[in-house]
Amino acid sequence: AQSVTQLGSHVSVSEGALVLLRCNYSSSVPPYLFWYVQYPNQGLQLLLKYTSAATLVKGINGFEAEFKKSETSFHLTKPSAHMSDAAEYFCAVSLYTGKLIFGQGTTLQVKP
Amino acid sequence: DAGVIQSPRHEVTEMGQEVTLRCKPISGHNSLFWYRQTMMRGLELLIYFNNNVPIDDSGMPEDRFSAKMPNASFSTLKIQPSEPRDSAVYFCASRSDRTPEGEQYFGPGTRLTVT
Repeated sequence: AQSVTQLGSHVSVSEGALVLLRCNYSSSVPPYLFWYVQYPNQGLQLLLKYTSAATLVKGINGFEAEFKKSETSFHLTKPSAHMSDAAEYFCAVSLYTGKLIFGQGTTLQVKP
Repeated sequence: DAGVIQSPRHEVTEMGQEVTLRCKPISGHNSLFWYRQTMMRGLELLIYFNNNVPIDDSGMPEDRFSAKMPNASFSTLKIQPSEPRDSAVYFCASRSDRTPEGEQYFGPGTRLTVT
């Protein structure tokens, strides 16, 4: 069975600092992996996805994630945090049915 | 494209009343998902449809919840009777399965408050 674990329900960084949000997955077959962002009072928006074409995936708003099969990880990074990045971030894994298994989410706080 | 449309955006009702949430998926998408989000339980998949047919309803909490998809452009989630513990944000998402890696697109959600 697939599962997703996001390490750290809350992450706080200073503006301009590196953002690192951790995601580990469990899947018996090569997965499709996604990061979604949810701003307050909004729906989820796709940041980026891994579909086996390249292990380093670039997304919107300067975010990227690297698929590491040996570590079963798909961590999300951004070199320099902006205040506007404050939101909740969800990692998700999918098999071929399109159904997503979500992690519990990580709330990113950006301090001025 | 207008994206996934949900109505109403906010619903306040009294315990025991029937509540109907509505969703219009993106045109051309053939899979539709209903989620519930609460602080305590996070994001939960309630049910999903493929080509208007319910595929997996294992997340539906109990018989008070029902969902329908009468055609490719409309779905409803009904709660009858509603209870305070049903208070949550309900999201609808749609997806095209033309490609296996296709992502889900989420609507803005309906915030339900049951008093």
